Amino acid sequence: DGGITQSPKYLFRKEGQNVTLSCEQNLNHDAMYWYRQDPGQGLRLIYYSQIVNDFQKGDIAEGYSVSREKKESFPLTVTSAQKNPTAFYLCASSIFLRDPGANVLTFGAGSRLTVL
Amino acid sequence: GQNIDQPTEMTATEGAIVQINCTYQTSGFNGLFWYQQHAGEAPTFLSYNVLDGLEEKGRFSSFLSRSKGYSYLLLKELQMKDSASYLCAVRPGVDGGATNKLIFGTGTLLAVQP
Repeated sequence: DGGITQSPKYLFRKEGQNVTLSCEQNLNHDAMYWYRQDPGQGLRLIYYSQIVNDFQKGDIAEGYSVSREKKESFPLTVTSAQKNPTAFYLCASSIFLRDPGANVLTFGAGSRLTVL
Repeated sequence: GQNIDQPTEMTATEGAIVQINCTYQTSGFNGLFWYQQHAGEAPTFLSYNVLDGLEEKGRFSSFLSRSKGYSYLLLKELQMKDSASYLCAVRPGVDGGATNKLIFGTGTLLAVQP
């Protein structure tokens, strides 16, 4: 079955350490996204990528980095510069068309990062 | 600025009907989306509206009024499995890249009771 796989599901990190969250999709989607979810707040966009080897900052990109070397993969690195990294991270993908209905997001199951 | 408002929590009874409201103020509008998210799981797409009116999909319906910046999600014949968060999201507009950059509300946590 096609879908998005995120790993790890749970991750603990010490302060000052970088950590990389994996996101792989086999939906043949062009666009991929990283969102952060915190209690009492809506999903906030961290980074997004429309095509391979290209990505743009979202609303809260500071302290994060990404790469898009393959269409299927869009890993997110949470760096030590991110001041409040404890959160639930969601990866998503979509096809790349202008019709808003065509751009329905498919989400992965999420990665919960806790900084100790 | 961009703002989307939804009630934080709602409670309803199994078998009943519940309406979850969403109001938005965004720089543009090119579609409103509803997602369902069970605790600790990925959001899943429910419906979208781009034109005014009602869209029906089985037990779920979504309504949009663009002039009022208002939408609602209607859930009929509630089941216990409908207990989840319901996320309202707006696509403000089509930028140069036609990216699906959605702005999400905080979500409404619905508890369905027996």
